[in-house]
Amino acid sequence: DIVMTQSPLSLAVTPGEPASISCRSSQSLLHNIGYNYLDWYLQKPGQSPQLLIFLGSNRASGVPDRFSGSASGTDFTLKISRVEAEDVGVYYCMQGLQTPGTFGQGTRLEIK
Amino acid sequence: QVQLVESGGGVVQPGGSLRLSCAASGFSFSTYGMHWVRQAPGKGLEWVAIIRYDGSNEYHVDSVKGRFTISRDNSKNTLHLQMNNLRDEDTAVYYCTRDALSSSSSQFGAFDIWGQGTMVTVSS
Repeated sequence: DIVMTQSPLSLAVTPGEPASISCRSSQSLLHNIGYNYLDWYLQKPGQSPQLLIFLGSNRASGVPDRFSGSASGTDFTLKISRVEAEDVGVYYCMQGLQTPGTFGQGTRLEIK
Repeated sequence: QVQLVESGGGVVQPGGSLRLSCAASGFSFSTYGMHWVRQAPGKGLEWVAIIRYDGSNEYHVDSVKGRFTISRDNSKNTLHLQMNNLRDEDTAVYYCTRDALSSSSSQFGAFDIWGQGTMVTVSS
């Protein structure tokens, strides 16, 4: 199974400041058609998860452009350019290259 | 509107069975792969199972293989998860979710629609 490792596991950010979350996969997630099968999800308190980024760097519909995803080999990064209060919650990466799908442990973002 | 609504959760003794359902509406259910994802209390997300858009193929995580079965009825826009021989460690909120990628490939992802979840508690 592909292991997904996130860091940090928690972070506290001042509103308006940037934030970055890393996710490393135990093997390449690059499919031969050129896409990384890596998604980012946010689970806000008391809610179901919601899709932020798919295929490594594509923002989902309705997601603010302050969220961005990037990839470098087996290292993936979710960046928030300016954190807002509504961004609190737990962020998960997930690989969809092969079954079983696997999630990272989650990164809890809090507001200072 | 586009939505998924789970049902069928509850309290069951170890070794018991439950059948979860997920009713889809507002989109062409038969053209999307579907998944079950679960979350134990206070824990992270765990992927459980996938079924292709036409029901032609399914896969379950090892921890539930042989005990859980994912299925779908495209005529009724409904996804199911039959759970047998339940264990304490199966206690979790179970979410169904729509896969925006797998209809065109064997890879999957972009879970763009999630249900509200249904709680399964396995306890004696």
